[in-house]
Amino acid sequence: QVQLVESGGGAVQPGRSLRLACAASGFSFSTYGMHWVRQAPGKRLEWVAIIWSDGNSKKYADSVKGRFTISRDNSKNTLYLQMDSLRAEDTAIYYCARVAVGIDVNAFDMWGQGTQVTVSS
Amino acid sequence: SYELTQPLSVSVALGQTATITCGGNKIGNKNVHWYQQKPGQAPVVVMYRDSNRPSGIPERFSGSNSGNTATLTISRAQAGDEADYYCQVWDGSTAHFVFGAGTKVTVL
Repeated sequence: QVQLVESGGGAVQPGRSLRLACAASGFSFSTYGMHWVRQAPGKRLEWVAIIWSDGNSKKYADSVKGRFTISRDNSKNTLYLQMDSLRAEDTAIYYCARVAVGIDVNAFDMWGQGTQVTVSS
Repeated sequence: SYELTQPLSVSVALGQTATITCGGNKIGNKNVHWYQQKPGQAPVVVMYRDSNRPSGIPERFSGSNSGNTATLTISRAQAGDEADYYCQVWDGSTAHFVFGAGTKVTVL
């Protein structure tokens, strides 16, 4: 079964850190670029970061650059998002999503169910 | 940065046609993708590259893109089509991925 399952969310105080994980199964994870996308309560989808299949190329949204780090372990079929210096405005559901390889590399063809991150004192 | 403009809401009578627009500067020169998100669920892609339906998406969904407006059309709307719909493009100038604000479709 092809799926993405996020974990690691929770409640954290401002300034603290959190690490999210996204476990992939049912497809050749190492051949796909992967994204993190977030959605604050009642707000639009916001792209956070992308990492390409080999893990060497990464790109971040301006809102998280310098605070968040995307990484992957292809031997474990897992994507990560290290979130440091968290702020209240980082409160959101965080989704991992797959690059639509073979269709359009600038689209997202599969999404996980998301993990909730709440930043509050 | 590139901005996408969508109407907040669209209402459509059961069985009629819903039209959702996505505005952007010369968006006709970009590939637009559309996602459907039902309450409490993850997004699902319903249209790639302006007008290409993924497998499993009904033919009732169609898309177009020209000038400054991309459009997702839902024909013969059903109650199950109620959802938020987001357009998305890649902004080559920043290498960022951009989403519209989303349109809530209500089937009356």
